[in-house]
Amino acid sequence: GAVVSQHPSWVICKSGTSVKIECRSLDFQATTMFWYRQFPKQSLMLMATSNEGSKATYEQGVEKDKFLINHASLTLSTLTVTSAHPEDSSFYICSARTGTNQPQHFGDGTRLSIL
Amino acid sequence: GENVEQHPSTLSVQEGDSAVIKCTYSDSASNYFPWYKQELGKRPQLIIDIRSNVGEKKDQRIAVTLNKTAKHFSLHITETQPEDSAVYFCAARAPSNQFYFGTGTSLTVIP
Repeated sequence: GAVVSQHPSWVICKSGTSVKIECRSLDFQATTMFWYRQFPKQSLMLMATSNEGSKATYEQGVEKDKFLINHASLTLSTLTVTSAHPEDSSFYICSARTGTNQPQHFGDGTRLSIL
Repeated sequence: GENVEQHPSTLSVQEGDSAVIKCTYSDSASNYFPWYKQELGKRPQLIIDIRSNVGEKKDQRIAVTLNKTAKHFSLHITETQPEDSAVYFCAARAPSNQFYFGTGTSLTVIP
């Protein structure tokens, strides 16, 4: 149980385009989802916390208008990287949890490459 | 916000030996501390966790200890095997319910 699906797994696109990444909890309802960014051989950096039906809470230094997060249902959160540039290239991972005192479960991540 | 530090960044041990990874946190109100194992290119996998009302937890070859007073917690892996080689991350859940990760430890178990 507690499976989190993330799509796409890998995307390559031109500079200036917008990219949407989906994070789905397949067998549970996730009131909260988290979005992380991970550079090679580095740790997971929390970008934002996404609560169903409300605006996401962004970490300091993360641009809200750059990284749009939508959590419209209990099983789906999306991250849209708007007008992506090469410096946005990274590994983006989402996670979800079943409840406040429950562990989080990670998706497989999305490798984003901006040319 | 919460600040989690993790040491060492790299660790090599002989197969069969023990490995210890240590983390410290800054917010005394943090109450949940999971450990994740991440193999190259894959998702982090939860391997063990501990809550603030417990001092130690063990699951077969893996154990975690928590010292709330000193605000540090450690991962202990005994009888290490080559398949234990991976990057390990500690994390702390802040009162805001957000998770903050340590910088990771790359563990290599030498056969």
